[in-house]
Amino acid sequence: EPEVTQTPSHQVTQMGQEVILRCVPISNHLYFYWYRQILGQKVEFLVSFYNNEISEKSEIFDDQFSVERPDGSNFTLKIRSTKLEDSAMYFCASKGQTWVTDTQYFGPGTRLTVL
Amino acid sequence: AQSVSQHNHHVILSEAASLELGCNYSYGGTVNLFWYVQYPGQHLQLLLKYFSGDPLVKGIKGFEAEFIKSKFSFNLRKPSVQWSDTAEYFCAVKGYGGSQGNLIFGKGTKLSVKP
Repeated sequence: EPEVTQTPSHQVTQMGQEVILRCVPISNHLYFYWYRQILGQKVEFLVSFYNNEISEKSEIFDDQFSVERPDGSNFTLKIRSTKLEDSAMYFCASKGQTWVTDTQYFGPGTRLTVL
Repeated sequence: AQSVSQHNHHVILSEAASLELGCNYSYGGTVNLFWYVQYPGQHLQLLLKYFSGDPLVKGIKGFEAEFIKSKFSFNLRKPSVQWSDTAEYFCAVKGYGGSQGNLIFGKGTKLSVKP
């Protein structure tokens, strides 16, 4: 069964550093998402991406965040200057062609630790 | 704004006990509803979903959920839990208002099943 994959599984970085989290969505999917989960809190939507542009973003997704689909397979989340409060589990998800009924499939997550 | 409430933070049951996890959402329009499960060390997996039709939805591994529109609820049930059901369970909603496509998650309910 096709899966969403994410790398790395765990990233440790110093405050102020840039990080890039990588995701490979399911190959024929067209809608892509990033969510995050701070330890002990709920999973929160960050951004959705369709047709090579952001379709929606939450208030969490400020100017420090950016997303890119640099080639036909990868979907990346970049945090330009990490803060302590960016420490969280980051989940990528993808969804197929039918906007209304398709399900979002989640990757295993990247645990980001900012020191 | 849409929100999802899961009232139980941690539920502890013995094997063969019946399970019901509460989920309420706040959104006045048409919604799609989901239950995801996250087994220890694994990624979010879809248990079941409701889009339309029969409000009693059956999912994988013997789980079911009932959509009660008048109560804005989508409670998850299983008649007899197993040790392998130990996991965290997340209710999520996708609305059709101003915020489309992304999922709004509840805080999650951790289920511990004692053998």
